Amino acid sequence: QQQVKQSPQSLIVQKGGIPIINCAYENTAFDYFPWYQQFPGKGPALLIAIRPDVSEKKEGRFTISFNKSAKQFSLHIMDSQPGDSATYFCAASNDYKLSFGAGTTVTVRA
Amino acid sequence: DTAVSQTPKYLVTQMGNDKSIKCEQNLGHDTMYWYKQDSKKFLKIMFSYNNKELIINETVPNRFSPKSPDKAHLNLHINSLELGDSAVYFCASSQVAGGSDTQYFGPGTRLTVL
Repeated sequence: QQQVKQSPQSLIVQKGGIPIINCAYENTAFDYFPWYQQFPGKGPALLIAIRPDVSEKKEGRFTISFNKSAKQFSLHIMDSQPGDSATYFCAASNDYKLSFGAGTTVTVRA
Repeated sequence: DTAVSQTPKYLVTQMGNDKSIKCEQNLGHDTMYWYKQDSKKFLKIMFSYNNKELIINETVPNRFSPKSPDKAHLNLHINSLELGDSAVYFCASSQVAGGSDTQYFGPGTRLTVL
């Protein structure tokens, strides 16, 4: 069964908008939560990651918000650009393996 | 320089055939992985090797056999191919084993079984 639930499946925003992708997990042993970005025809690449001892992490225009008590985390893309159009995967790990969410295809319209 | 490379990029074959996909990483990593991405883009780990030793085998049919001749290479051999094997297969590597280290993915091999 899927250990990380991701929503929405797809998202369309205008340039400058803020797409938000949400993920939820049940396994409290997870202690590492990365986001991977995948462009068509390419392999996924690490975008940003967080550990549960912090509630927020920013890298450039990408922000992860983490709510340990709710077992939820989300990715915000600030001032989104057409070049951010890609599929985004959240994931979680308990130092054994990475379990991926189902992915969200984000389209940023110019 | 490509960090993680896979060959071939595309593979089209008939049901029942046997095929192999090769993967090489030049990052000096100890751990390598095979993932399967289905038509709905769901990514699922299949195998993981650390220092040439199998450490993860995720209920994959035994028609799939990974082989790691050395730390830099992890190949995937598939026997008696079935329609359901059609997918994109990604190789990845990381410095250390487990899921808490950055994984570097290859460009993928799109396998189509007719």
